[in-house]
Amino acid sequence: QSVLTQPPSASGTPGQRVSISCTGRSSNIGSHVVYWYQQLPGTAPKLLIYTNDQRPSGVSDRFSGSKSGTSASLAISGLQSEDEADYYCIVWDDSLNGWVFGGGTKLTVL
Amino acid sequence: EGQLVESGGGLVQPGGSLRLSCAASGFTFSSYDMHWVRQPTGKGLEWVSGIGTGGDTYYSGSVKGRFTISRENAKNSLYLQMNSLRAGDTAVYYCTRGAAGFDYWGQGTLVTVSS
Repeated sequence: QSVLTQPPSASGTPGQRVSISCTGRSSNIGSHVVYWYQQLPGTAPKLLIYTNDQRPSGVSDRFSGSKSGTSASLAISGLQSEDEADYYCIVWDDSLNGWVFGGGTKLTVL
Repeated sequence: EGQLVESGGGLVQPGGSLRLSCAASGFTFSSYDMHWVRQPTGKGLEWVSGIGTGGDTYYSGSVKGRFTISRENAKNSLYLQMNSLRAGDTAVYYCTRGAAGFDYWGQGTLVTVSS
């Protein structure tokens, strides 16, 4: 059972907008910034969003992040087949004195 | 562009030990926190341990007391000494740079704990 709760799966058709949630608590998301990662099959994770809503250089502007209270969200607009991957949120947790990952969301492009 | 290359994975019996290494290049290694993250086959990511630029260390509850993280800045290297290994430690272990979250990742090294 992950400290951060993500839906195990999400799906959409090409061109659609999908959103993936990450729910935590006051000791983690409520107090610290959130990061999002994309993991394509058989590859290492890739940083997608940092500091809640910032995109690293080279990441498409179709990806956006937001945070409110103890929840965060990753949105993907103009869905493309290459977006099919696993997505993870991560944040520092004061109670655990360590980093915690969400359980991951598998995105399927129908 | 920074690069991280892990090594040292393999098959080990329960109760055994293994030492993972991570060679860093392309950035000033001594200026960054470094971490180990693992992923059992077909499952999610789990943060294992981190070490600060000053040598301060952090561990997840599942490995505390069994694993030891260390770094050797002169060799641009990160290590993870794993003792008292259990079947549940079987996973791909990634070395990551702690900047803007974890921005650089290695390709991972597989650790299998089995008799």
